[in-house]
Amino acid sequence: EVHLVESGGGLVQPGGSLRLSCAASGFPFSSFWMHWVRQAPGKGLVWVSRIISDGISTAYADSVKGRFTISRDDAKNTLYLQMNSLRAEDTAVYYCARGSGSHPYYFDSWGQGTLVTVSS
Amino acid sequence: DIQMTQSPSSVSASVGDRVTITCRANQGISSWLAWYQQKPGKAPKLLIYAASSLQSGVPSRFSGSGSGTDFALTINSLQPEDFATYYCQQANSFPYTFGQGTKLEIK
Repeated sequence: EVHLVESGGGLVQPGGSLRLSCAASGFPFSSFWMHWVRQAPGKGLVWVSRIISDGISTAYADSVKGRFTISRDDAKNTLYLQMNSLRAEDTAVYYCARGSGSHPYYFDSWGQGTLVTVSS
Repeated sequence: DIQMTQSPSSVSASVGDRVTITCRANQGISSWLAWYQQKPGKAPKLLIYAASSLQSGVPSRFSGSGSGTDFALTINSLQPEDFATYYCQQANSFPYTFGQGTKLEIK
């Protein structure tokens, strides 16, 4: 069974940094694209970033480009999101999601999410 | 960015009803569209991908249609567990974008 567990969320001041982790199990992690999707309280879903299976190619939403960095450690079956220069508008639940094997642009498994709150 | 617009924003229906939710893209996206279901406090769940392909394990009462700019999610014979919020997502180009969501409520 696919299992994704996010961690690392919390309260941080504007301008601060956080690193989110997503521990994966139940599937060959290194073979799959992975994504981060966020959801502000009471709002809709927003795609944040993706990393392909070889880890070389990454992509970001304009709103986080230059501030967030996605990475993966296939030996540890873990996905990361380094978030710097955080802003109030980054407050959201952050989900890691697996790209569907044959259609990696769709998200076929999700973690439970981790809440990031940016506030002074 | 490609803008996805869902309608209606909310809909009330009864168990056993048939409901259709639509999603429109502001430019053509071929069949690069998915539908997700989200219940309060839970992660989204993939229902439909490539506009009309049913994700494994999803009941056959869910179906998707459309291509280009206009898409629809139809739920036949609504069940109590179907009351949730539904999102469309385009996968044609970066950044992947979602519709604003349609909340399906019990009448």
